[in-house]
Amino acid sequence: QITLKESGPTLVKPTQTLTLTCTFSGFSLTTTGVGVGWIRQSPGKALEWLGIIYWNGDNRYSTSLESRLTITMDTSKNQVVLTVTNVDPVDTATYFCARRPAPYYTLDYWGQGALVTVSS
Amino acid sequence: QSALTQPASVSESPGQSITISCTGTNSDVGGYNYVSWYQQHPGKAPKLIIYDVTKRPSGVSNRFSASKSGNTASLTISGLRAEDEADYYCSSYTISDTSNWVFGGGTKLTVL
Repeated sequence: QITLKESGPTLVKPTQTLTLTCTFSGFSLTTTGVGVGWIRQSPGKALEWLGIIYWNGDNRYSTSLESRLTITMDTSKNQVVLTVTNVDPVDTATYFCARRPAPYYTLDYWGQGALVTVSS
Repeated sequence: QSALTQPASVSESPGQSITISCTGTNSDVGGYNYVSWYQQHPGKAPKLIIYDVTKRPSGVSNRFSASKSGNTASLTISGLRAEDEADYYCSSYTISDTSNWVFGGGTKLTVL
């Protein structure tokens, strides 16, 4: 059974760094082609792609946010970590992690999402 | 990052069929057979219903079908049911964004 779950702070102050952890089970991030992506959704808005980390450590970030994003992985803990620097109230959103199965460009399993509010 | 273009909302009666479009460019939808569709109910995570333009994951109803023509992908839902009322998002591989991924703006389906 494949599961993913996001965890982290629910409230962050403007200019701070947001760190979210995606803990997964049922698959390995060392399997060729597999990736874990991050997607966010502001209240009442559409899904927004943030970035992805692949089995080989390769990262791909959204052009609009890449200067503020870092995604890392710890395969021993089955975790992927998203860091967003210098947050602003517009970063208030539900953040999802999801699995990219090899060799497809799709996301087949999603976490439940974690709501993060940016406010002073 | 330019989102793929979807209609903001569509509506239809139970038992009928509806088609939702997703328009991109040659750099995404038109250039690659990597279009996916997701269904999202309020307060829930998205659920994959179509990948690789036309393929359904195991367990997804065959009432969901999809296709692509040029730069536009389409999702068709037949025999509409109340439970189909949700938001639907397309996504595609893209060479126009450093992430290589892009989502559509989403379509709210109302089953009247």
